Amino acid sequence: AQSVTQLGSHVSVSEGALVLLRCNYSSSVPPYLFWYVQYPNQGLQLLLKYTTGATLVKGINGFEAEFKKSETSFHLTKPSAHMSDAAEYFCAVSGDNAGNMLTFGGGTRLMVKP
Amino acid sequence: DVKVTQSSRYLVKRTGEKVFLECVQDMDHENMFWYRQDPGLGLRLIYFSYDVKMKEKGDIPEGYSVSREKKERFSLILESASTNQTSMYLCASSVTGYNSPLHFGNGTRLTVT
Repeated sequence: AQSVTQLGSHVSVSEGALVLLRCNYSSSVPPYLFWYVQYPNQGLQLLLKYTTGATLVKGINGFEAEFKKSETSFHLTKPSAHMSDAAEYFCAVSGDNAGNMLTFGGGTRLMVKP
Repeated sequence: DVKVTQSSRYLVKRTGEKVFLECVQDMDHENMFWYRQDPGLGLRLIYFSYDVKMKEKGDIPEGYSVSREKKERFSLILESASTNQTSMYLCASSVTGYNSPLHFGNGTRLTVT
């Protein structure tokens, strides 16, 4: 069965600092990996996804993530945090079960200090 | 743009009531999903449907049922609401395929008193 672990339920950074949100997964088949963002009082929206090919994936709002098979990781980064990045971020994996079902991590709340 | 609309943003119900949460999508997606979101637990799949009148249990189906009579509409039913079902409920839809992203509604925050 597939699973996702997000290290750190809360991460706080200063505006302009590097953002690093960690995600490790387990899957018995080559995974498809996703990052979603949830702004307050909204549903989740897709930030980026990895399917096949290039392991460094660029998403919206300056975020990117790198798929590292040897480390079973898919960490999310952004070089310079902006106040508007404050939100909850979810890593998800699919591919190791019937149907198109995603398994989500527990989420990481990103706080950005001025 | 895909739009997934959940009928209520906030809902307060009493223990034992039958509760209906409605979700409509406008992009002719085959798949629809109901998730429950709780702090620290992320999103957990309750039920999903890959076609009209078809349904599959997710990770936490106990205490819930679903209905999909039309392709665009997917309803979540709490037969007899309990306080431990107080949560945020998120509906999502997608086309078929392992790399197809989910499109989410804004959620319904249900409080059972």
